[in-house]
Amino acid sequence: EAQVTQNPRYLITVTGKKLTVTCSQNMNHEYMSWYRQDPGLGLRQIYYSMNVEVTDKGDVPEGYKVSRKEKRNFPLILESPSPNQTSLYFCASSFKEPGFNTEAFFGQGTRLTVV
Amino acid sequence: GDSVTQMEGPVTLSEEAFLTINCTYTATGYPSLFWYVQYPGEGLQLLLKATKADDKGSNKGFEATYRKETTSFHLEKGSVQVSDSAVYFCALSGGGYNKLIFGAGTRLAVHP
Repeated sequence: EAQVTQNPRYLITVTGKKLTVTCSQNMNHEYMSWYRQDPGLGLRQIYYSMNVEVTDKGDVPEGYKVSRKEKRNFPLILESPSPNQTSLYFCASSFKEPGFNTEAFFGQGTRLTVV
Repeated sequence: GDSVTQMEGPVTLSEEAFLTINCTYTATGYPSLFWYVQYPGEGLQLLLKATKADDKGSNKGFEATYRKETTSFHLEKGSVQVSDSAVYFCALSGGGYNKLIFGAGTRLAVHP
């Protein structure tokens, strides 16, 4: 089954404790990205990757890191989480960058709470 | 910059009622337009899409028409069901930027 898998689904952590949210896709997609979803703001892009070893900042990259060492995996790293990073996070993938007629596939989301 | 504006929710309807969720956009060029749906506890799923002016996307009884003259992509369904309760996101892509641009989302609650 074609899917994007995120882990964990839920996470409560304390300020400053490094964490990683994993994302894996089995569709051989080149393009992957991370979004955060906050009430009234929709989804905002954090980082994206056009291919292995190619990453770039989205609209809200501060406080986050990513890596793309393999095509299927795109982990999101919070080196020193802060309460304003409490949010619902989604990983997405597609064959190429969003554009004409490109469908994005989303993971189930990770609800992160930083206390 | 490019943007998407959706009607605020929540929208509360009785089963079999007619649904409209308004979506307007601002974009340079000719974006592709999408409606995504997020059921409780799940990720976003593509509901329908349209890639050029006057195209109509449709799926599961939902429809939306790409209106370039009014820069709109309103979502409609003739008879909603309880199972349609979800959050609906309008989005656009294209123009060389590497992301989907989402509206704020509209929560729909359908009661029996």
